[in-house]
Amino acid sequence: DIQMTQSPSSLSASVGDRVTITCRASQGIGDYVAWYQQKAGKVPKLLISAASTLQSGVPSRFSGSGSGTDFTLTISSLQPEDVASYYCQKCDNAPLTFGGGTRVEIK
Amino acid sequence: QVQLVQSGAEVKKPGASVKVSCKASGFTFTSYGFSWVRQAPGQGLEWMGWISANNGNTHYAQILQGRVTMTTDTSTSTAYMELRSLRSDDTAVYFCARKPTSRPFDYWGQGTLVTVSS
Repeated sequence: DIQMTQSPSSLSASVGDRVTITCRASQGIGDYVAWYQQKAGKVPKLLISAASTLQSGVPSRFSGSGSGTDFTLTISSLQPEDVASYYCQKCDNAPLTFGGGTRVEIK
Repeated sequence: QVQLVQSGAEVKKPGASVKVSCKASGFTFTSYGFSWVRQAPGQGLEWMGWISANNGNTHYAQILQGRVTMTTDTSTSTAYMELRSLRSDDTAVYFCARKPTSRPFDYWGQGTLVTVSS
């Protein structure tokens, strides 16, 4: 099965900082990667599909890139409301593995 | 509007089984697949498996093979997940999620807390 390795597991940054989270697939998966945001006690929310397609209503400070095995989620200017955990997921076919998650905090 | 409404919290003893439901509304149930995802306290998201509401095909996470069964009832637009031989490390919030073909999960249920304790 394809594994999804996400890094870092946590980060602390200042408001306005640029934040980058990476996700590496153990085999090539084209652009079949999604990114989810999960705030404490809430249901995960889809941010990005197909590696780089921003979902409707998601702020433009979020962006995704990559293909094959290496993928990136970037927050261009971190805001207090972005405090959450972020997960990548391969979404082509089963198993639909998640990355381990990245907890983002404000410094 | 699209809704996935899950059944309520459960408390089970080790060795027991639990069956969680996920009732869908606001869309054509048989046009989608459904996955179950669980999250242990303070941990990340763990994909458990997938079922096609169109034909009942399933794919389970290897780690749960033999203990989990996913089914659907198209007459009531409800997906079910049954987990058997429960252990304490099965304590988690269990989510159902809608899975369009070749696309990620776009709608989620509210989650069901399953606590396994003697």
